[in-house]
Amino acid sequence: GAGVSQSPRYKVAKRGQDVALRCDPISGHVSLFWYQQALGQGPEFLTYFQNEAQLDKSGLPSDRFFAERPEGSVSTLKIQRTQQEDSAVYLCASSRLQGNSYNEQFFGPGTRLTVL
Amino acid sequence: AQKITQTQPGMFVQEKEAVTLDCTYDTSDQSYGLFWYKQPSSGEMIFLIYQGSYDEQNATEGRYSLNFQKARKSANLVISASQLGDSAMYFCGAEAGFGNEKLTFGTGTRLTIIP
Repeated sequence: GAGVSQSPRYKVAKRGQDVALRCDPISGHVSLFWYQQALGQGPEFLTYFQNEAQLDKSGLPSDRFFAERPEGSVSTLKIQRTQQEDSAVYLCASSRLQGNSYNEQFFGPGTRLTVL
Repeated sequence: AQKITQTQPGMFVQEKEAVTLDCTYDTSDQSYGLFWYKQPSSGEMIFLIYQGSYDEQNATEGRYSLNFQKARKSANLVISASQLGDSAMYFCGAEAGFGNEKLTFGTGTRLTIIP
């Protein structure tokens, strides 16, 4: 079956532009996560959805960042008025929802955002 | 909150040798999970292995094993019989509780296998 897909794979934006990054999770996966990975660093948590509900957005760095998952499947991460410090790889991950057992998070290939 | 420390920015290992990647963690949670992901140059994160905080046995997955020492708060990854395809970034991480929790990652170790 298909894995997690993300589009676009690469995005170049001029400072001040708005961007939208898309994530298609694995079919049937209830949980969806967004992470930001700066160059030379590990991924850092941004936000988490369970179906369409955004249960945790504590990692969003500013109010310029907004994420949605209106129908509980595809998710979009939107960044308004991009800044150079937003340049990073944005990773999406999905997982099944099970009881008290580890649910592997399956990652997409990421979107590399470069803000000029 | 969890904090993950990986003190080896880079390692070079001869092919077919075993390698240990170090990871220490700090958490106030009673229940937590520890895991390792591999990130090749293509960028995708590949899950390798998971250890629950209450698991008494060290986790193993093929050539990968996790050396879990709870009292020392360490979760080192051991790769046996390394292969050229093992060259990649390796990230140690943790989650609070079990399942459906955000993951906290370390800064990673770049492993290079020498033929």
